[in-house]
Amino acid sequence: DADVTQTPRNRITKTGKRIMLECSQTKGHDRMYWYRQDPGLGLRLIYYSFDVKDINKGEISDGYSVSRQAQAKFSLSLESAIPNQTALYFCATSAPEGQETQYFGPGTRLLVL
Amino acid sequence: QKEVEQNSGPLSVPEGAIASLNCTYSDRGSQSFFWYRQYSGKSPELIMFIYSNGDKEDGRFTAQLNKASQYVSLLIRDSQPSDSATYLCAVGPQAGTALIFGKGTTLSVSS
Repeated sequence: DADVTQTPRNRITKTGKRIMLECSQTKGHDRMYWYRQDPGLGLRLIYYSFDVKDINKGEISDGYSVSRQAQAKFSLSLESAIPNQTALYFCATSAPEGQETQYFGPGTRLLVL
Repeated sequence: QKEVEQNSGPLSVPEGAIASLNCTYSDRGSQSFFWYRQYSGKSPELIMFIYSNGDKEDGRFTAQLNKASQYVSLLIRDSQPSDSATYLCAVGPQAGTALIFGKGTTLSVSS
């Protein structure tokens, strides 16, 4: 089984809808991240969490919220989806300080109509 | 604002040649440096990391770090068509913050 899983893998939704993307990991890592990727813009950090009680905004947090339900679970919500949130979303994990290597999930492709 | 810069490419090399990918970063206090490979539509996968000045070799891949010049590179020897992908440079700032990724360089290896 994959160490970092994301659900759903593909999602089509309409403008104004609230949606949730979920991430689970079995690596035992404390740190989890959400990125979006758009052509030509690279990976942009949305939110990150260094432990269950820690949530930090990234470069592009507006329009998004997150929930760290447990060490192994980190969810990303789009409160009211808009078309420019159409992108490929990745979850990643890393071990504590000193081992910053990030391991990525397979991604969720989101289309907002 | 802390930045990681990469030439977007595409970088085109013939099969068997050496591909050289470069990355510069703005935060002089950065402590860790990573190279990821990403195939189209897939997730980034770690190729290697480097923490100290100098060279680090792993198979056909060599990472080079020069902290004084704030420069990190990746050399791919004996390039293969399967190496065709986007290569992402990532830099770890000082403790307590997330990695900063460059926008990536697209490599195309022709047979």
